[in-house]
Amino acid sequence: RKEVEQDPGPFNVPEGATVAFNCTYSNSASQSFFWYRQDCRKEPKLLMSVYSSGNEDGRFTAQLNRASQYISLLIRDSKLSDSATYLCVVSATGGGNKLTFGTGTQLKVEL
Amino acid sequence: EPEVTQTPSHQVTQMGQEVILRCVPISNHLYFYWYRQILGQKVEFLVSFYNNEISEKSEIFDDQFSVERPDGSNFTLKIRSTKLEDSAMYFCAIVGQQGIATNEKLFFGSGTQLSVL
Repeated sequence: RKEVEQDPGPFNVPEGATVAFNCTYSNSASQSFFWYRQDCRKEPKLLMSVYSSGNEDGRFTAQLNRASQYISLLIRDSKLSDSATYLCVVSATGGGNKLTFGTGTQLKVEL
Repeated sequence: EPEVTQTPSHQVTQMGQEVILRCVPISNHLYFYWYRQILGQKVEFLVSFYNNEISEKSEIFDDQFSVERPDGSNFTLKIRSTKLEDSAMYFCAIVGQQGIATNEKLFFGSGTQLSVL
């Protein structure tokens, strides 16, 4: 089983749509969870951290289910500028920021 | 958001040559990381560096690789005797807060695209 698993997509959605991405992780000892965004051939950029209580940042909502080892990202009212690859990222216990990345889910928002 | 500058943005080298990739954070950070991303694949951890020592490294980071902080500001990744499969984007990263590493957010530099011919 992959350490962090994501559906690669692409997800093609019209502008204004709501889209959800899911991610599963294999290490039950993982402590920190993030969603990063990566544009083509650019560096990953932190989108948001993910907490068990769920958290929201504008149009973006992230959820964590530790029992199922499952992370989600919901994007409401999609914009053309949301087109990118969304990376699910997990940090194991002990910190040190050794991040484990998923392969990413590609989103294409169309007119 | 902290800034990290990486040089060069692109590096082309012949197989067997040595390359040095550089990372310069805007402010004084103690923790540095190198990641790489082969085209079409996921971002992979290489090494973490704290207080002038390697704190953790991955299986990828073998004797071919080394890291240094030669002058207290620049942070370098050296790849000796490059191979074709070393072709990738190499990212330097720092934590979001000075002096704090555990489970804090990482911010990445814009990367160096290494092409080994």
